[in-house]
Amino acid sequence: DTAVSQTPKYLVTQMGNDKSIKCEQNLGHDTMYWYKQDSKKFLKIMFSYNNKELIINETVPNRFSPKSPDKAHLNLHINSLELGDSAVYFCASSQVPYRETQYFGPGTRLLVL
Amino acid sequence: AQSVSQHNHHVILSEAASLELGCNYSYGGTVNLFWYVQYPGQHLQLLLKYFSGDPLVKGIKGFEAEFIKSKFSFNLRKPSVQWSDTAEYFCAVNAKAGNMLTFGGGTRLMVKP
Repeated sequence: DTAVSQTPKYLVTQMGNDKSIKCEQNLGHDTMYWYKQDSKKFLKIMFSYNNKELIINETVPNRFSPKSPDKAHLNLHINSLELGDSAVYFCASSQVPYRETQYFGPGTRLLVL
Repeated sequence: AQSVSQHNHHVILSEAASLELGCNYSYGGTVNLFWYVQYPGQHLQLLLKYFSGDPLVKGIKGFEAEFIKSKFSFNLRKPSVQWSDTAEYFCAVNAKAGNMLTFGGGTRLMVKP
């Protein structure tokens, strides 16, 4: 009964490939987020969706495309992967955008070779 | 734009020592404040949060934090740390007027047994 789940947990791939990370939450929350945590543990928001609609899109390359098929899912697709994309990607959810506690998934560790 | 500073990047303590981790933010309006913890290899978990009311908030595992509005601070404290408190600690701030939850750079705490 994991609240926020992500797949895969680890992803190792070559430069130039396209990959997707999936996120699902069973908390009934309306808002979901993607964060990137770099090698120095700095955590930065990438996207947030509220009721399947994009509400925040930070300065993220357009190679990153989030997709929310329904309120419980927010997937992250990355085209033409680059070395600098290597990081841990965390999905999170909250009942309302930002102003309530966010619940984080276990993270997906992406390594681009 | 709001920003969050955690001045202690690395802290090493012996068990039973007292802990105080600093967090300062730069937004002048009303804010929601959070401390999250990330244990090694795990996802972020909420330690405690402040929305309004008593500025001294108590969280899980014996942690507490004090919101001092005049100092724009929300420092995290624990009177006696344990080896199991070894983790990365993140302060986060959300301006009630905005849509952004901003994280500090994190403080890595190592507790020696």
